[in-house]
Amino acid sequence: NAGVMQNPRHLVRRRGQEARLRCSPMKGHSHVYWYRQLPEEGLKFMVYLQKENIIDESGMPKERFSAEFPKEGPSILRIQQVVRGDSAAYFCASSPALAKNIQYFGAGTRLSVL
Amino acid sequence: AQTVTQSQPEMSVQEAETVTLSCTYDTSESDYYLFWYKQPPSRQMILVIRQEAYKQQNATENRFSVNFQKAAKSFSLKISDSQLGDAAMYFCAYGNRDDKIIFGKGTRLHILP
Repeated sequence: NAGVMQNPRHLVRRRGQEARLRCSPMKGHSHVYWYRQLPEEGLKFMVYLQKENIIDESGMPKERFSAEFPKEGPSILRIQQVVRGDSAAYFCASSPALAKNIQYFGAGTRLSVL
Repeated sequence: AQTVTQSQPEMSVQEAETVTLSCTYDTSESDYYLFWYKQPPSRQMILVIRQEAYKQQNATENRFSVNFQKAAKSFSLKISDSQLGDAAMYFCAYGNRDDKIIFGKGTRLHILP
């Protein structure tokens, strides 16, 4: 049973480009969470999604950031017109419907903005 | 709003010795969960131990145990017989039944051979 898969592991973008981060949850998990980790910091919640629905996006920046979890395929975190301050590690976690407090994390995507 | 505080940015322990990492939290809820996650240099977030707030008994996983003091809102992690592979960042975290987990800033643990 594969764990939470994130790709790419490392993404390099120039300022102004778009970044797309992908997350495939564990098999049977219908809840996905995205977190951001700045250097030497803990993880900060960004958004919580179920299939085709955004449940809580209270941690998402108001502009340039969006997330989706379509009926088919992985969850996508999209950052438009990236800036240097977006450089961070982005983690995805998934949980089963009946145990939402048990979140399994992927290995993260490190975004570097040049 | 819930908060998690880890007051020790770094700690060191001699191999085979015991070390305790501190964590305090703040919440007005009565039903919640507390976690310790380990993040080695690979960056993978690994769940070390989980405690349900309604359970008085402290959780234990092999060499890892917690001291959960609900009234004091304290949740420390004890690592016994420390091993070189325990070197990592350790994050204390809080979660409720609904959604997000709130993390502390972490404690970097060094194991001295």
